[in-house]
Amino acid sequence: DTAVSQTPKYLVTQMGNDKSIKCEQNLGHDTMYWYKQDSKKFLKIMFSYNNKELIINETVPNRFSPKSPDKAHLNLHINSLELGDSAVYFCASSPTSTSTDTQYFGPGTRLTVL
Amino acid sequence: DQQVKQNSPSLSVQEGRISILNCDYTNSMFDYFLWYKKYPAEGPTFLISISSIKDKNEDGRFTVFLNKSAKHLSLHIVPSQPGDSAVYFCAARGAQKLVFGQGTRLTINP
Repeated sequence: DTAVSQTPKYLVTQMGNDKSIKCEQNLGHDTMYWYKQDSKKFLKIMFSYNNKELIINETVPNRFSPKSPDKAHLNLHINSLELGDSAVYFCASSPTSTSTDTQYFGPGTRLTVL
Repeated sequence: DQQVKQNSPSLSVQEGRISILNCDYTNSMFDYFLWYKKYPAEGPTFLISISSIKDKNEDGRFTVFLNKSAKHLSLHIVPSQPGDSAVYFCAARGAQKLVFGQGTRLTINP
């Protein structure tokens, strides 16, 4: 049983396209996150949702739009993809939005923009 | 501006010896620190944490030390085992979010 799953695992696309990455957690957690691991390998938070409500929105281009249809799902839609969007994107969840809660990560989605 | 840094991209240790992974931070407002472990093609998994009111936390073979005056934490693994080979990320809590370092790749040699 996969606790936090992401699809697709790999995504190769052309500049200018629009793409989505899906995330689902079956842990019953209230809070979900999107992180980006950049070329220098730092994991940086992009967004956080608590019970479908946006609670963290870092300085991310507005081409990135998260959507949480329910608290078990947090999808990431990216418009007009750019070369610099190439990275590994990780979804995570935690029981609550208290940041001492352990965060459980998905396996990551490697996005390559050509 | 990277507030959490792991300055050693890689570390190689003999099986059975001690592994020491280091992490430095700049923000004195961080109040909670964590280590995550990551295997290839998997997401990071939580390993051990420490509150800023403590200077040491131990869990089996893993011990985390915090030196607040130096803004430095370290993870000690003893004895090191082949299954410990992975990338280790340190993270710090500030402003309701976790800030991660860039990871150190640990290789345990038989």
